[in-house]
Amino acid sequence: DQQVKQNSPSLSVQEGRISILNCDYTNSMFDYFLWYKKYPAEGPTFLISISSIKDKNEDGRFTVFLNKSAKHLSLHIVPSQPGDSAVYFCAAGWGNYQLIWGAGTKLIIKP
Amino acid sequence: KAGVTQTPRYLIKTRGQQVTLSCSPISGHRSVSWYQQTPGQGLQFLFEYFSETQRNKGNFPGRFSGRQFSNSRSEMNVSTLELGDSALYLCASSSPASGTSTDTQYFGPGTRLTVL
Repeated sequence: DQQVKQNSPSLSVQEGRISILNCDYTNSMFDYFLWYKKYPAEGPTFLISISSIKDKNEDGRFTVFLNKSAKHLSLHIVPSQPGDSAVYFCAAGWGNYQLIWGAGTKLIIKP
Repeated sequence: KAGVTQTPRYLIKTRGQQVTLSCSPISGHRSVSWYQQTPGQGLQFLFEYFSETQRNKGNFPGRFSGRQFSNSRSEMNVSTLELGDSALYLCASSSPASGTSTDTQYFGPGTRLTVL
């Protein structure tokens, strides 16, 4: 039972345009959501997070939107840059329980 | 501040063997989590240790075990290796505050295990 789903294994976006990565979850207990970025041969690094009391969090070019009624969150990257090419994981958690991770979306930024 | 380190970085074993992977967390971090990453499966949680105690455990068979030492360094062991155990094993440490899921996790580069 996949509680966190990233249905797009890969996404290709033109440099300078907006990248939108999506994540769906099924467990209504989740109250904290995170996005991590992973380059090849490196461990994931934290990108941005959002708690369930908010519906938007912004950090520079990165914005995460949370739609609790739809159990959906998305990561927007504007404008997309070549260095954004990586695998993006969304993760969700609550309390002392471990984070549940999505399968990841490989983002390719085309020059 | 040094990041999370994992040794070895690459490992090749044969079926039936056992393996031990090591993780040194960021200084001061007391929580260490282990994940298995395989293509298309994302990060699958193995277990989490906090102050030498296993606090959470994922849905992996008993062949997968771990421990944490008093200096917060952690090891994971896989016995009777199977071909399907080939994966990238990631270790992550988090801040000493409360060890909840809201704590940012800092990942090591991983150990790439290949089982032949």
